[in-house]
Amino acid sequence: QVQLVESGGGVVQPGRSLRLSCAASGFTFSSYGIHWVRQAPGKGLEWVAVIWYDGSNKDYADSVKGRFTISRDNSNNTLYLQMNSLRAEDTAVYYCARVLRMDGFWSGSLDYWGQGTLVTVSS
Amino acid sequence: DIVMTQTPLSSPVTLGQPASISCRSSQSLVNSDGNTYLSWLQQRPGQPPRLLIYKISNRFSGVPDRFSGSGAGTDFTLKIGRVEAEDVGVYYCMQATQFPYTFGQGTKLEIK
Repeated sequence: QVQLVESGGGVVQPGRSLRLSCAASGFTFSSYGIHWVRQAPGKGLEWVAVIWYDGSNKDYADSVKGRFTISRDNSNNTLYLQMNSLRAEDTAVYYCARVLRMDGFWSGSLDYWGQGTLVTVSS
Repeated sequence: DIVMTQTPLSSPVTLGQPASISCRSSQSLVNSDGNTYLSWLQQRPGQPPRLLIYKISNRFSGVPDRFSGSGAGTDFTLKIGRVEAEDVGVYYCMQATQFPYTFGQGTKLEIK
């Protein structure tokens, strides 16, 4: 079955860095785009970043552009989010989510989500 | 960015009764390919989001048929035919027509 497992969260001081990982299994990882979506405590969902199936394209929310970098290792079925210059407002649960494909075509949604990893930015 | 606005933000419902959530986008969600990439997600307490509906009205695998989606352009609706206890949680609409993807504020469904 499709599984996405995030790791790497924790407590970090403002201005420091953290790298999140998302380990995928149960599907052909190299065929799917993957997104990061975050959720601040008690708040709604905020899209963070996306990477194409082959890593050829990436896009970011304005709130993280220039500070966060999304990448992937298709040989190890793993997605990453390198987070630099962290701010208090980056405090959130970070989810990785797989792009929905139906009949082999991108279908404009996110079908499987990991359980999330909590990042707390605090001094 | 496309702004997604949900109403109501809270919906107390009696078990067995229907429920309806509306979602309005600040601009048309019709993509250049002719498709409308509007989804509905459910988030039960303490759980990650779960896909219910994609492209306005298509139920995702394993989603009960009491969930249905409708709408077009900028106005969309999620309906639950008869609410069950397991339906408690927060429901989000999401647009994937253009980056950045954006979500509604969420509608909390609770049992009266």
